[in-house]
Parts: sequence; structure tokens; C-alpha cells
Amino acid sequence: DAKTTQPNSMESNEEEPVHLPCNHSTISGTDYIHWYRQLPSQGPEYVIHGLTSNVNNRMASLAIAEDRKSSTLILHRATLRDAAVYYCILRTNYGGSQGNLIFGKGTKLSVKP
Amino acid sequence: KAGVTQTPRYLIKTRGQQVTLSCSPISGHRSVSWYQQTPGQGLQFLFEYFSETQRNKGNFPGRFSGRQFSNSRSEMNVSTLELGDSALYLCASSPGTFYEQYFGPGTRLTVT
Repeated sequence: DAKTTQPNSMESNEEEPVHLPCNHSTISGTDYIHWYRQLPSQGPEYVIHGLTSNVNNRMASLAIAEDRKSSTLILHRATLRDAAVYYCILRTNYGGSQGNLIFGKGTKLSVKP
Repeated sequence: KAGVTQTPRYLIKTRGQQVTLSCSPISGHRSVSWYQQTPGQGLQFLFEYFSETQRNKGNFPGRFSGRQFSNSRSEMNVSTLELGDSALYLCASSPGTFYEQYFGPGTRLTVT
């Protein structure tokens, strides 16, 4: 079962920042927080991941709460191309399911021009 | 660098038949994972192969199997197809188990 909770859908205006929340209250110390997105009619695409500290890359920023029970994916300026389903995933590196990506329902982001 | 390729892209089979799907990973990637995506269940992990060995397996019946070749190309096989096996089957490659995964476009399987 997915161990994260995300809103079903969110809406944003083009060129405005978007904050996509994710709750993961049962996160363990070895779980990494990964974000993937799936554009319509495509396979999922890696966005960003982190463990404890905030992370930035060319696509987005990841803000991780101090207690690690929640995180927020930040798209600094949404474009129409960012309309997709965004998945927040906990990826463990130990145990029987190590390395597996367990996808939940994700958040469907709509971007209005 | 070429991305992950999957063949065929679309497939129609009859209940009871078997099917083999193919995945060619990004050059240099040794890990290949397979996923099933349906409207009802979403994206579900099937199995992962690394250097020709199955490392992880999801909660699917034994009708679903896979293998990986020495060049890292992978195939998955579904025997005795059921209507519920209709889905988009996605393959993802990565340099290793804990790296980010790069997904192919998927194979759309329809079972009638």
C-alpha cells in the first residue's frame, strides 16, 4: 500500500508557483522521498528526490519538513507542459521491498493559461 | 542517448493466450523494472531485474514472469491471459536499484 497522502487534484495558473503537498507520517529513517510525474499518454518521469534536506534541480524544488512527516514539491513557474499527475513516493533502501517504487493515486495538476 | 524503448506499443490478444513484451533499457543501465497501470489499480510494481537476476517481485500471480538478458534487455511474459490483464505495461531502466528510473512509453495490452 502507498504510504503517502496527496490531494486528488490541484489547479494552478500559468507562470505562477505551484506547491504540491504530500503527507507521509509513517516515514522511516531510511525512506527517501521521491517525486515522479506522468504527463498524458506518457510513462512517468523522475522529478526530484531527497532524504532530509531541501533539494533543488532544474525542474523543481523539494521542501522537506523538519520531522520528515510531510514534504512539498514546488514548481517555481508552472507552464502548460507541467499539467500531469504528480506522485509522491517513499522509497526504502532496506527490506524485501528495497528500491521498489510504490505509486499511490497522485495529484492531478491542471494548469490554466 | 536513446531512451527506453518498448515493443510492441499496442497489442490485442484473446483470453487464454500468452503474450511477451520487450523492453530495451538506456545504454549502460543494468536495472529494469516492470509496472502495470490500470484505471482502477493505478501503477503497480511487477518485478525488477538487475544483471539478469530478479531482485524484487510485486504481488502478482505466477502467470506474470520476466527475464533479463546479458545485454540488459528484458522481456515479460503473461500466460493464460485474463480480461483483467488489459493494461498499460511500463518498463523503466536505471543504472542500479536505488537510482532514479527512466520509463518507456509503455505497451498497451488489450485482452478480449
